[in-house]
Amino acid sequence: NAGVTQTPKFRVLKTGQSMTLLCAQDMNHEYMYWYRQDPGMGLRLIHYSVGEGTTAKGEVPDGYNVSRLKKQNFLLGLESAAPSQTSVYFCASSYSTNSPLHFGNGTRLTVT
Amino acid sequence: GESVGLHLPTLSVQEGDNSIINCAYSNSASDYFIWYKQESGKGPQFIIDIRSNMDKRQGQRVTVLLNKTVKHLSLQIAATQPGDSAVYFCAETLAYKYIFGTGTRLKVLA
Repeated sequence: NAGVTQTPKFRVLKTGQSMTLLCAQDMNHEYMYWYRQDPGMGLRLIHYSVGEGTTAKGEVPDGYNVSRLKKQNFLLGLESAAPSQTSVYFCASSYSTNSPLHFGNGTRLTVT
Repeated sequence: GESVGLHLPTLSVQEGDNSIINCAYSNSASDYFIWYKQESGKGPQFIIDIRSNMDKRQGQRVTVLLNKTVKHLSLQIAATQPGDSAVYFCAETLAYKYIFGTGTRLKVLA
């Protein structure tokens, strides 16, 4: 039982490049979330999904897209990376919104 | 890892003492609350949770207190150990969303 797995762990991009962050969970959770974590700002919600085939915008969605084609996977895409997107990205999942979020170990992204 | 903890309030406690970490939550309609621990370079780890129909819940060495009147949550850690050194933050749920506080760094002094 791996829980929530994120790939890659580290990535460096040049401004304007694109990439996809992968998140997989093996707990059969309905809800999945992408957060970014920056110094002094806590975890901010980018996008989330309440089930397979659904996505919704969070607090800071601009510059990101997501897809949830399969229940176990939630992908976060950066279409044209900007230095402001330098951050640590966390994926999380939960059984319901009255149960704990389970987090992956994060992807550290640097955009130069 | 470490860079995430910059600018956080810090609580320093002696090993063996009790720690109390506080959190003010934002929405009176929130009905579920969670405390997380985050160590450097890792994802947040669940510690304990509490629902809005309770005001206290105990786990192993940890207790969460909820005061809905003033929208305040606290985490008490008994007999603090070096392994408790980390960033702690609270979360509240509202609709489908989990909303997180900015966190407190706990330093355990030997």
